[in-house]
Amino acid sequence: KQEVTQIPAALSVPEGENLVLNCSFTDSAIYNLQWFRQDPGKGLTSLLLIQSSQREQTSGRLNASLDKSSGRSTLYIAASQPGDSATYLCAVSWGDYKLSFGAGTTVTVRA
Amino acid sequence: ETGVTQSPTHLIKTRGQQVTLRCSSQSGHNTVSWYQQALGQGPQFIFQYYREEENGRGNFPPRFSGLQFPNYSSELNVNALELDDSALYLCASSSSPGAYEQYFGPGTRLTVT
Repeated sequence: KQEVTQIPAALSVPEGENLVLNCSFTDSAIYNLQWFRQDPGKGLTSLLLIQSSQREQTSGRLNASLDKSSGRSTLYIAASQPGDSATYLCAVSWGDYKLSFGAGTTVTVRA
Repeated sequence: ETGVTQSPTHLIKTRGQQVTLRCSSQSGHNTVSWYQQALGQGPQFIFQYYREEENGRGNFPPRFSGLQFPNYSSELNVNALELDDSALYLCASSSSPGAYEQYFGPGTRLTVT
C-alpha cells in the first residue's frame, strides 16, 4: 500500500533555530513530491516540488531533499521566524491522478 | 490570473441532508480534483474531473458525486450526510490530469450536526 508518513506531528522551536521536517513514503517509484504549507482552517500553499529525477530544490530559506532509495524527503527551513508557524504537509504522486498526503507536522516558532 | 475559488466558505448541515460545494478552477486549467481533510489529518483524494468526466476516484462511497461544467468549474455533491463528513473540502485545479502542479483553493468548511 502506498502511504506517506510525517513524524513528528508537532514541533516547537525558538525563533532563529533551523527547522527540519521529515516525510517518509512507501514505494520508491514516485513521480514527484511536494511540500505544502497550511495555515489554520485555510487552503494549501505549494512551497516546493521535487521531480523524481531531482535530489533537492531550494527557494529562499527553504530547501527540500529527496532520497527515493530510502523513501525519505526532508524540508529544511533556515533561521525560523514566528511567521513560519503553520502545518507543513508532504504529498507524493505515484504517477496517477492524485496526491497522497501525510498528516502533516504542525510547527510553532516561539518569539 | 484568477486563482482557485470555492464557495461557500462555511456550511452547517444536519445529518441526512444533502450539500453542494462549488469550485472555480484557475484560468487555463481544465482539470479539477476534490479532497476531504478531516481535522488533524492530511487531505484524502475524493475524485478528479477532466473534460466534464470523472477521471479517477478515491475510496469514497457513491453518495459523493461531482460535476464539471464546460467552463471547467466543478461541484461536489454529498447525499445523506453523516457526522463523519464534517471536514474541510478542498478543490485543486491543474492544466491537465497528469500535470506536476495542482493549485488549491481556500476550502469549504462543512459541519454536520
